[in-house]
Amino acid sequence: RKEVEQDPGPFNVPEGATVAFNCTYSNSASQSFFWYRQDCRKEPKLLMSVYSSGNEDGRFTAQLNRASQYISLLIRDSKLSDSATYLCVVNTGSGNTGKLIFGQGTTLQVKP
Amino acid sequence: EAQVTQNPRYLITVTGKKLTVTCSQNMNHEYMSWYRQDPGLGLRQIYYSMNVEVTDKGDVPEGYKVSRKEKRNFPLILESPSPNQTSLYFCASRYQGVGQPQHFGDGTRLSIL
Repeated sequence: RKEVEQDPGPFNVPEGATVAFNCTYSNSASQSFFWYRQDCRKEPKLLMSVYSSGNEDGRFTAQLNRASQYISLLIRDSKLSDSATYLCVVNTGSGNTGKLIFGQGTTLQVKP
Repeated sequence: EAQVTQNPRYLITVTGKKLTVTCSQNMNHEYMSWYRQDPGLGLRQIYYSMNVEVTDKGDVPEGYKVSRKEKRNFPLILESPSPNQTSLYFCASRYQGVGQPQHFGDGTRLSIL
């Protein structure tokens, strides 16, 4: 079983749609969680950290469920510019260490 | 401007010819990593460094070397490149600490013929 698993998609949605991605992780001791966005052939960029109580940034909402070991990303009112690959990232370490494990990414295509 | 800088951005070379990809960050980050990204396999960590003179293997270290003589620089060395090292490479850095996000360089697209 992979340490971090995502549905690779692609998810094809019309503009304005709401879309949700899930990501599961296997290490119950994981400490921190992130969503990154990666455009084709470009570097991954931090979209948002995921906090235990859930957090929102504009049209984006991230949630963490420690009991079931998954995190989610919800995108509301999707735009053409949201088309990208979304990477789920989990830090499996503790203290000052910690290794970031990347999921394979979920591809989103927003169509006009 | 805070950034991670990799060079070169693109390189086509031949099997066996030693090459170095440089990485430099200006954020005083302790932790630096190298990743390769291949279709269907996602980002895989090659080597990482928790501070100057402290380096360790990641998930796919075979065929690569690194050094960390200064805090800002973390070069990736391919002593004898082979075609299976053709890939997209990213350098990244962050502060120590579990909740710290990672900053990536622009990537180096390497083709070994």
